[in-house]
Amino acid sequence: EDKVVQSPLSLVVHEGDTVTLNCSYEVTNFRSLLWYKQEKKAPTFLFMLTSSGIEKKSGRLSSILDKKELFSILNITATQTGDSAVYLCASLNFGNEKLTFGTGTRLTIIP
Amino acid sequence: DTAVSQTPKYLVTQMGNDKSIKCEQNLGHDTMYWYKQDSKKFLKIMFSYNNKELIINETVPNRFSPKSPDKAHLNLHINSLELGDSAVYFCASRQTGQVNYEQYFGPGTRLTVT
Repeated sequence: EDKVVQSPLSLVVHEGDTVTLNCSYEVTNFRSLLWYKQEKKAPTFLFMLTSSGIEKKSGRLSSILDKKELFSILNITATQTGDSAVYLCASLNFGNEKLTFGTGTRLTIIP
Repeated sequence: DTAVSQTPKYLVTQMGNDKSIKCEQNLGHDTMYWYKQDSKKFLKIMFSYNNKELIINETVPNRFSPKSPDKAHLNLHINSLELGDSAVYFCASRQTGQVNYEQYFGPGTRLTVT
């Protein structure tokens, strides 16, 4: 069965800190790894990573995939209170293109 | 305009009842999904439909029956509701063939079974 594990489960830091969120996967027919941010309601898409070693960046957020070691990290620099959310990673497989989500990391930024 | 909408937003009902949740997307996408998110925020796929055809059917009790009258709608009917069905149910949609595989999620329906 496909498995996606995120760590830590929760993280509390002060505004301005840099955080690294981890996502490891064991998935058959792996195609890509996606990151989502979930605040109060629906998850919103952040990144999709398909190739190893190529960093994707959006403002203070960046992410990279290692297909040899089967993990991805999401970095957030100079954190702000608006970054407080649950961050979800998900593996996408070929074939039926199913997303398998991890358990999520709850990030809390203290002002 | 809301891209993916769900009704109702909240649903409180008693064990044993039958209820439906509706989902509509106005994005012209050909694939729609139902996910269940439990109290620990674990998001798990239940079903997906592509052009009204069932593609993914995870290990879900057969009390749950999805119905897709057309490719813009995917409804979820639940029979004989149980306490463990309490969760937030998300509908999502996407267009197959797009390079950037982004699923657009609806706002969720919080189901509470008492």
